[in-house]
Amino acid sequence: QVQLQESGPGLVKPSQTLSLACAVSGDSVRTGGYYFNWIRQHPGKGLEWIGYIYYLGSPYYNPSLSSRATMSMDTSSNQVSLRLTSVTAADTAVYYCVRERGYGNYRRFDHWGQGTPVTVSS
Amino acid sequence: AIQLTQSPFSLSASVGDRVTISCRASQGISSAVAWYQQKPGKAPKLLMYDASTLESGVPSRFSGSGSGTDFTLTISSLQPEDFATYYCQQFNSYPFTFGQGTRLEIK
Repeated sequence: QVQLQESGPGLVKPSQTLSLACAVSGDSVRTGGYYFNWIRQHPGKGLEWIGYIYYLGSPYYNPSLSSRATMSMDTSSNQVSLRLTSVTAADTAVYYCVRERGYGNYRRFDHWGQGTPVTVSS
Repeated sequence: AIQLTQSPFSLSASVGDRVTISCRASQGISSAVAWYQQKPGKAPKLLMYDASTLESGVPSRFSGSGSGTDFTLTISSLQPEDFATYYCQQFNSYPFTFGQGTRLEIK
C-alpha cells in the first residue's frame, strides 16, 4: 500500500522560499503511469491544485502561481519536492502530496498524504 | 480554467436519508470527474472517478452519474460516518479544478 508523507518548516516569513518534501513508501516514484501532485487547502477553504511531476517527464504547474512553483523528484530517496518562492500570507495553507493514476477520464487522485500545514508570517 | 459549481453549499440530513449533491461544470468535461470525501483535520478520500466508477473499498451506497456539464453524487442511505464535506474535481483539462465543497451535516 503506497503511503505519502509530507514534511516542511511549518512557518515561513513573507518573501522567503517555502520548501516541502514528500516521502513515498510502498512503491517507487519511477513506476510508470503515476504522477505526483501537490494540492493545497487554505484555512477553512476548498482545494487548489498546484501542479504535478512524473518520472522522466516535465513538471506542469497551475498558471495561477505565476511561475513561483518548482517541483523535483529524487529517485534515490524516493521523494518529490515542492519549492514556492516569494511567499505571502495568501500561501498559508495545508499542503498535500497526492498520487495520481489512470489515464483520460479514468484519472484520479487515489492516495493522499496527511498534509503539512504552512503559515506565512513575520 | 474550468469552474465547478456544487450545490447545495451545505445540507442537513438524517441517518437513513437519501441525499444528492450536484456539480456543474462551466464547459463540457466528458466524464472526467472524481468525487472526494473530507472529514475535519483529514486529507480528502477518493470515492468515485470517471463520474460513476466506485473506488475500491468504498461502500456501494455511494453512486455517481453524469456527463458533459452536470454531475451528481448520491448516497442512498446515510450512515453516521458519511457526515463530511464532499468535493467534485475535473480531470478534463489543466489546470485541474475542484468544486467549492458541500458540507453534509447531521439534522
